[in-house]
Amino acid sequence: NAGVTQTPKFQVLKTGQSMTLQCAQDMNHEYMSWYRQDPGMGLRLIHYSVGAGITDQGEVPNGYNVSRSTTEDFPLRLLSAAPSQTSVYFCASSHTVGRSGVTEAFFGQGTRLTVV
Amino acid sequence: GESVGLHLPTLSVQEGDNSIINCAYSNSASDYFIWYKQESGKGPQFIIDIRSNMDKRQGQRVTVLLNKTVKHLSLQIAATQPGDSAVYFCAEITYNTDKLIFGTGTRLQVFP
Repeated sequence: NAGVTQTPKFQVLKTGQSMTLQCAQDMNHEYMSWYRQDPGMGLRLIHYSVGAGITDQGEVPNGYNVSRSTTEDFPLRLLSAAPSQTSVYFCASSHTVGRSGVTEAFFGQGTRLTVV
Repeated sequence: GESVGLHLPTLSVQEGDNSIINCAYSNSASDYFIWYKQESGKGPQFIIDIRSNMDKRQGQRVTVLLNKTVKHLSLQIAATQPGDSAVYFCAEITYNTDKLIFGTGTRLQVFP
């Protein structure tokens, strides 16, 4: 049972480059989300999705795009990387969070991104 | 804006003692609270949760207490072990926003 899988685990980008962080889950969870974690700090919500075809902004959405074409995948795109986006990125999934009830969120192992 | 924060950034306890990690939240409409444990280099791991209609919930060696009057949440760990050393986060959800928001974290250090 793979759970939540993030790729790559490590990435170095030059300022202005673009890339996509991949996230896949095999638990048929409706809810998926992306967080960033800066050193010594908590996790900040970037974007989230309550189901396929639906996405919404979190606390810090600027500079990031997401899409949810399938239940399993929730990629995070950086269109023009900036040094301020150096961080560890976590993807999470859970059964429906919100109106229909909540369950625990399962997290991936993280992607460590450095923008130089 | 709405936020969830923690009183103590670092907590040091002796092995075998009980640990109490505190969390203050500012959104009185929060419906659901979760405690997560994060070990170095890993993603957060679920510990225990509590809904806003409850005051207390117990798990294995852990208890979460919720005081809605003062908007305070705590995690109690009984007989703290070296394996409990980690950063602990509280998180909250307001059902009408669908957002799981994290606090800043408390590092728990367990000494022999």
